[in-house]
Amino acid sequence: DAKTTQPPSMDCAEGRAANLPCNHSTISGNEYVYWYRQIHSQGPQYIIHGLKNNETNEMASLIITEDRKSSTLILPHATLRDTAVYYCIVRVAYTNAGKSTFGDGTTLTVKP
Amino acid sequence: ETGVTQSPTHLIKTRGQQVTLRCSSQSGHNTVSWYQQALGQGPQFIFQYYREEENGRGNFPPRFSGLQFPNYSSELNVNALELDDSALYLCASSPGGWDRGTQETQYFGPGTRLLVL
Repeated sequence: DAKTTQPPSMDCAEGRAANLPCNHSTISGNEYVYWYRQIHSQGPQYIIHGLKNNETNEMASLIITEDRKSSTLILPHATLRDTAVYYCIVRVAYTNAGKSTFGDGTTLTVKP
Repeated sequence: ETGVTQSPTHLIKTRGQQVTLRCSSQSGHNTVSWYQQALGQGPQFIFQYYREEENGRGNFPPRFSGLQFPNYSSELNVNALELDDSALYLCASSPGGWDRGTQETQYFGPGTRLLVL
């Protein structure tokens, strides 16, 4: 699986959009981008994933650049409960979800 | 809540001892993965069990072993504990099927925090 690079930390004001970047310059054509988050003292929680098209669900939006070398997770209206570590990982499509390689993630702090 | 449960929540052991951690999968999931998460780092894949057989292993020594039972619950065993084994141990279950809609993600339990003194 390709390696990802994320900033170690970011701040965001409550109610504003949080934009979390991820670089995956060595991503292969059959690798998806996945995002998870881990709220303090809990297990990671799946957020969203995508291949090359932008994706949106009830939690977030995922924007993937045309060359697929980077992506951005967008939390449109961040709340204090969105304070967490956010992990971006890439994984070959339709392979086993349970062997994921996590980096150190981005610690997002949402401030009042 | 994901439906994945782990026990115990916290555990303290001394160096050289053995420990067994337990995980109950989400209903309908036949694949269980175990991860080790050191403080300040992302989860590291230990191994996975699919239908009671080991189905892949990360870069962990043989003293890390596991079991999966017919009801798909699982155990992680660590022998000869070392100080560096202190970490949060996460269990994650996934459906294990090859259908596009079900292979896409895994669901994590809350973890067991192990402290080795």
